[in-house]
Amino acid sequence: GAVVSQHPSWVICKSGTSVKIECRSLDFQATTMFWYRQFPKQSLMLMATSNEGSKATYEQGVEKDKFLINHASLTLSTLTVTSAHPEDSSFYICSAKGPLGDQYFGPGTRLLVL
Amino acid sequence: AQSVTQLDSQVPVFEEAPVELRCNYSSSVSVYLFWYVQYPNQGLQLLLKYLSGSTLVESINGFEAEFNKSQTSFHLRKPSVHISDTAEYFCAVSDPSGNTPLVFGKGTRLSVIA
Repeated sequence: GAVVSQHPSWVICKSGTSVKIECRSLDFQATTMFWYRQFPKQSLMLMATSNEGSKATYEQGVEKDKFLINHASLTLSTLTVTSAHPEDSSFYICSAKGPLGDQYFGPGTRLLVL
Repeated sequence: AQSVTQLDSQVPVFEEAPVELRCNYSSSVSVYLFWYVQYPNQGLQLLLKYLSGSTLVESINGFEAEFNKSQTSFHLRKPSVHISDTAEYFCAVSDPSGNTPLVFGKGTRLSVIA
């Protein structure tokens, strides 16, 4: 089946540093990937839609200069949290749209900003 | 716009008892419906989905859900739960074009008690 990986699975960083999270579709090509954020005991909140070779589409209220998304190839999208602060601590999940339109989710990346 | 309502945030149930997790949706167009399961500190796994055809869909681990268009519902059921079913369950909706991201409900925490 279609597999999506994320790296790293967890990261701890100091306030003010930038953190890059990778999302890879391992056995299929994904022209569209999605980035979600999940707070404890809450649902997934869509942050942005990432399209290969074009600019990401951000949801209302998501700062595009804060959360930089790059989808440079058909199997890789990256989310960079710039100048991270404690309030950015969260569980970040990506998904990739497969050839039949299904979405396949990565295992998530837990970010803790101290 | 589409939306999903999961009425129960938490559902405790004894092992081997039946369970129903409720999901209602709102949409002005036809829909695809999904149930995802999330185990602690993990990403989402697709449990089952309704795209078209038979309104009753089943998963490999004993869950089933029935699409009811008149009641705009897609409730998830299992006749006998196991401890290992303890997890967060998310209902989601999308439109058949596949061009819009999934819209998730807030999730239902199923806790199976021995």
